[in-house]
Amino acid sequence: EDQVTQSPEALRLQEGESSSLNCSYTVSGLRGLFWYRQDPGKGPEFLFTLYSAGEEKEKERLKATLTKKESFLHITAPKPEDSATYLCAVCDTGNQFYFGTGTSLTVIP
Amino acid sequence: SAVISQKPSRDICQRGTSLTIQCQVDSQVTMMFWYRQQPGQSLTLIATANQGSEATYESGFVIDKFPISRPNLTFSTLTVSNMSPEDSSIYLCSVQSGQGDGYTFGSGTRLTVV
Repeated sequence: EDQVTQSPEALRLQEGESSSLNCSYTVSGLRGLFWYRQDPGKGPEFLFTLYSAGEEKEKERLKATLTKKESFLHITAPKPEDSATYLCAVCDTGNQFYFGTGTSLTVIP
Repeated sequence: SAVISQKPSRDICQRGTSLTIQCQVDSQVTMMFWYRQQPGQSLTLIATANQGSEATYESGFVIDKFPISRPNLTFSTLTVSNMSPEDSSIYLCSVQSGQGDGYTFGSGTRLTVV
């Protein structure tokens, strides 16, 4: 069964303390992997799409990478405004989307 | 990417009543999707709304409980009927943004049933 698992569930970082969030997936055929940011009480906001192993995307302090089994969202020198829940989703070749449960990131000043 | 206006942003409703959530998209789209996000849970697809045809519901969701309208290519509504506290969730509408962007989401409706 297709599945998306994110870890850790929650992460607390000091401002400036870099870290990585993990999204592991099992799908019959990967069409794309997506990262979203979700602030409390709001809808998810698109961050990145990755299509193939080895691909990397960057945006400000965030960098997403992809292997055949997982994706990492690296956060470099985070700031308090980076605090949010980060969601991972995959789309399989049948155009079905599967979402992970997210990692809740808190960055402490 | 498409821009979606969703309302209401939040509501507190009495058990047994119904709430209709509206989504307006700034461009024409073939399919609109309705999701539920329960506390601490992943997004769960409720149904896909196509203009001019009945919505397609996922397993565990039925039309009587979640009737959907799709009168044109830019608008859809989801009604949560005969609500119970278990319906307390965030409800989200979304559209596919075209290649590369996955889904674009509305801002969500936070529903609390008391």
